[in-house]
Amino acid sequence: EVQLVESGGGLIQPGGSLRLSCAASAFTVSSNYMSWVRQPPGTGLEWVSIIYSGDSTYYADSVKGRFTISRDTSKNTMYLQMNSLRVGDTAVYFCAGGRRSGNIFEYWGQGTLVTVSS
Amino acid sequence: QTVVTQEPSLTVSPGGTVTLTCSSSTGAVTSGYYPNWFQQKPGQAPRALIFATNNKHSWTPARFSGSLLGDKAALTLSGVQPEDEAEYYCLLYYGGAQLWVFGGGTKLTVL
Repeated sequence: EVQLVESGGGLIQPGGSLRLSCAASAFTVSSNYMSWVRQPPGTGLEWVSIIYSGDSTYYADSVKGRFTISRDTSKNTMYLQMNSLRVGDTAVYFCAGGRRSGNIFEYWGQGTLVTVSS
Repeated sequence: QTVVTQEPSLTVSPGGTVTLTCSSSTGAVTSGYYPNWFQQKPGQAPRALIFATNNKHSWTPARFSGSLLGDKAALTLSGVQPEDEAEYYCLLYYGGAQLWVFGGGTKLTVL
């Protein structure tokens, strides 16, 4: 059974940095499609970033230049490095993965809460 | 800025049929947008239902189906069950900009 488990969330001041992790089991992070999606409190889903099986990376305009997606093959884990955090980045961050083009968001983690506040 | 629009809320009776739609500010939604549909219940992570317009996951109940309806993507629930009450989100792929964009979600009430 595929499992994705996020960690690394917490309370951080505006301007600070945080790194989220997404550890996978029964799913190979390095050879599949992996994404981050966030959900601010009480609102809808927002796509954040994706890393394709060929290592191409893409970002939503709202995080471009501040967030970096990456993965560690040896740990079978994906990361989201978040810098210059803003109050508007407050959200539950989910990781998602998929094995096929067109089916990239098949599996989801339970999410980790990031709160940006002074 | 690209906007994906869904009905904010819909109500359906148990056993009934309801269609949720997903439109793009850029024009007609086609299969090239790889429409995805997700279900989310309060306090839970989203669950994938449909990918690439009309493909179901192994766990997707048969009563859910995806399609293109006119210039929109659509999710149809036939024979709605009380447990289908949830928020439903569509997701579209914009290949030119290499972006994925979620719709605002449809709150489905089964009453």
